[in-house]
Amino acid sequence: GEDVEQSLFLSVREGDSSVINCTYTDSSSTYLYWYKQEPGAGLQLLTYIFSNMDMKQDQRLTVLLNKKDKHLSLRIADTQTGDSAIYFCAESHSGNTPLVFGKGTRLSVIA
Amino acid sequence: EADIYQTPRYLVIGTGKKITLECSQTMGHDKMYWYQQDPGMELHLIHYSYGVNSTEKGDLSSESTVSRIRTEHFPLTLESARPSHTSQYLCASSSDDYYGYTFGSGTRLTVV
Repeated sequence: GEDVEQSLFLSVREGDSSVINCTYTDSSSTYLYWYKQEPGAGLQLLTYIFSNMDMKQDQRLTVLLNKKDKHLSLRIADTQTGDSAIYFCAESHSGNTPLVFGKGTRLSVIA
Repeated sequence: EADIYQTPRYLVIGTGKKITLECSQTMGHDKMYWYQQDPGMELHLIHYSYGVNSTEKGDLSSESTVSRIRTEHFPLTLESARPSHTSQYLCASSSDDYYGYTFGSGTRLTVV
């Protein structure tokens, strides 16, 4: 079945870049997403990328997609303490099935 | 601003009680979802709906039921709460799966 894998923890120093990685198994994935969850809150959509794209940049966020290796990454430039949160990768291959979420990566930013 | 609302925000109840968690959205989304999030962060899909009078069970059997009588409303009911139901419950909606979900702020349920 479909599966999305992420490492569970990442710790970076304030001002450094963070890279959160995700792998997925469904080669027919059409859309891939990154969500952010702050403590005590729901998930917030950060960005998404279509499978026919290799890269998408939005201010401090850069998403890279390697379809051959089924690998997705989220790079946060100049990481701030406010970026401390849980980041979820998710994939969709059809508009008629729910998204498949990874287990989330907890990002800790050290001042 | 969030256009999807969950109530209550926090709830502590005794074992065996029946409870309903409310979820409403004002975006006119056809698709709505309920997730259970355990302390280890992982999300488990428990129910979803792709329109009025249409509901499906997700991956996790949570001993809960849902209804979708109106587009904007998707309540989740636990007939008999147990300590194993202690968790955060997240509701989400979407117009379609391609542009992602909008999540509510969640209900944190504690069953004692």
